[in-house]
Amino acid sequence: KAGVTQTPRYLIKTRGQQVTLSCSPISGHRSVSWYQQTPGQGLQFLFEYFSETQRNKGNFPGRFSGRQFSNSRSEMNVSTLELGDSALYLCASSSHRGRDIEQYFGPGTRLTVT
Amino acid sequence: ILNVEQSPQSLHVQEGDSTNFTCSFPSSNFYALHWYRWETAKSPEALFVMTLNGDEKKKGRISATLNTKEGYSYLYIKGSQPEDSATYLCAFIGSSNTGKLIFGQGTTLQVKP
Repeated sequence: KAGVTQTPRYLIKTRGQQVTLSCSPISGHRSVSWYQQTPGQGLQFLFEYFSETQRNKGNFPGRFSGRQFSNSRSEMNVSTLELGDSALYLCASSSHRGRDIEQYFGPGTRLTVT
Repeated sequence: ILNVEQSPQSLHVQEGDSTNFTCSFPSSNFYALHWYRWETAKSPEALFVMTLNGDEKKKGRISATLNTKEGYSYLYIKGSQPEDSATYLCAFIGSSNTGKLIFGQGTTLQVKP
């Protein structure tokens, strides 16, 4: 069974640009969550999608948005990039929503904003 | 704002030592606690998902306990090996946001041969 894949793996953008990151969950998984990790910070929750609906949102500005498609693939978009958006962005998928369901993480996209 | 704290922040041990880490989380509105292991250049990997007070789970030399009433979980590694070197993360899920994991900062373990 293929794992969670994320594209691209590395990205360099300039301040003010926008970026779209993609996440393909494990086949059959319907829940996709996104996390940001910056130096010195733990993993910060961005949002969760389940069956194409955003179910949870973290404390990030509106420049961060996402969506999920009918095949469960998800994209996140960051508009008007700032230097502080340089981070590792991880997505994770799970088969359904529930307290005992572990999440499977992708390898991440390393975004550098110059 | 929910706070999940892990201690220590980092740990250096010799091969064969046993070690343990702590994860503290809000004791109210508990839904689940996850432990993940994150090796450098790899993806975080789930170790345990714990849901009931008093839970004890074991995977090989690694085990974990859960106390939801006082809001803490311990992760134990018996007879540490160099391949155990990684960052260990705990993540709390509150009952009101079942899809949202709130992670601690992690404990980075370095096992010297």
